[in-house]
Amino acid sequence: DQQVKQNSPSLSVQEGRISILNCDYTNSMFDYFLWYKKYPAEGPTFLISISSIKDKNEDGRFTVFLNKSAKHLSLHIVPSQPGDSAVYFCAASAGTGANNLFFGTGTRLTVIP
Amino acid sequence: GAVVSQHPSRVICKSGTSVKIECRSLDFQATTMFWYRQFPKKSLMLMATSNEGSKATYEQGVEKDKFLINHASLTLSTLTVTSAHPEDSSFYICSARNRAGYNSPLHFGNGTRLTVT
Repeated sequence: DQQVKQNSPSLSVQEGRISILNCDYTNSMFDYFLWYKKYPAEGPTFLISISSIKDKNEDGRFTVFLNKSAKHLSLHIVPSQPGDSAVYFCAASAGTGANNLFFGTGTRLTVIP
Repeated sequence: GAVVSQHPSRVICKSGTSVKIECRSLDFQATTMFWYRQFPKKSLMLMATSNEGSKATYEQGVEKDKFLINHASLTLSTLTVTSAHPEDSSFYICSARNRAGYNSPLHFGNGTRLTVT
């Protein structure tokens, strides 16, 4: 039972353009959402998070949008850079301190120079 | 920033043997560490929560006698895959949260690719 879904396994974007990665969830108890970035042979690295009291959180080139009614969140990267090429995982939990993160299956982003 | 070190990064073992994977928090104390497993083209799945000084908490469907977890100190947790079989071949990742930061995000190790032949 996949409670967090990333329906696009891959995405290719030209350098300088915007990358939009999408994530959907089914559990209405989730109130804290995170994005992780993963390079090959490395563990996921925390990128950005958002709690359900917000609908947007921005950190430099990265912005996460949350639409609670649609149970949907997205990560925007602008401008995209070749170094952003990686697998991006969306994760969700019930509570900011919750131990069990539910991960999506990841989206492989390729930024083309 | 916080760093979690996981060792080894790759291990190949024969069926029936046991393999130990270490997870260390390098610059913070972690009363709780977590072990995840990732199947090909699947998401990370939480296997167990490792608690310093007490027994680990296993997720449903995870055999505690097969995946032994020991959290001997505030900076070290180990996962031992006992009597490994080819179906145990997978990518195992540990994570930890700084005990001082309840709301801080989890930091992950680089993972261990286990191949059982």
